[in-house]
Amino acid sequence: ETGVTQTPRHLVMGMTNKKSLKCEQHLGHNAMYWYKQSAKKPLELMFVYNFKEQTENNSVPSRFSPECPNSSHLFLHLHTLQPEDSALYLCASSHPGQGLNTEAFFGQGTRLTVV
Amino acid sequence: AQSVTQLDSQVPVFEEAPVELRCNYSSSVSVYLFWYVQYPNQGLQLLLKYLSGSTLVESINGFEAEFNKSQTSFHLRKPSVHISDTAEYFCAVKLYNFNKFYFGSGTKLNVKP
Repeated sequence: ETGVTQTPRHLVMGMTNKKSLKCEQHLGHNAMYWYKQSAKKPLELMFVYNFKEQTENNSVPSRFSPECPNSSHLFLHLHTLQPEDSALYLCASSHPGQGLNTEAFFGQGTRLTVV
Repeated sequence: AQSVTQLDSQVPVFEEAPVELRCNYSSSVSVYLFWYVQYPNQGLQLLLKYLSGSTLVESINGFEAEFNKSQTSFHLRKPSVHISDTAEYFCAVKLYNFNKFYFGSGTKLNVKP
């Protein structure tokens, strides 16, 4: 248990569906991240939020829409996805900036399958 | 630009043998260095980190990594592996003043009996 909780753990959705992934942390972190992990590909950074403000969008298609209502919660809204979007989606959080506790803590991920 | 290179995508090794997983990075500014481990269908877990000070850092389960600034490397080693060490290992860097982690492509360690 890392202190970062993702729900659901598994999700199967059709290409016309709309769904949301949720991430929650109560570690007091102010930076939160979405990563995509596909088979045989490096970990891809999607979005970064610092103090609820989006600071990084790594050329992610608009069918992925992040939302960060507060420093403890992060959502990824999904609509009209493609089969190639099937992957493990990982949420992470960290303290911003420098310091002894600067590492990222990861959730267990949501395994998404688009059919 | 920053990048992290893990030279071996897969490393097979027999139980109780030593292992080294290699990591090289490229950065124009100072970085923090990390190794993470991922078991099947799980998220990434921090294994060890280098922030400053002694260049040799150790984890609680026998892994160690050494920061070599001149070679920009942060190789992970274990003198004697166990079956339970079978997992994928990721090297990562974080820039001093930025909230952004750069990950290598991962190395799958397969420990055989």
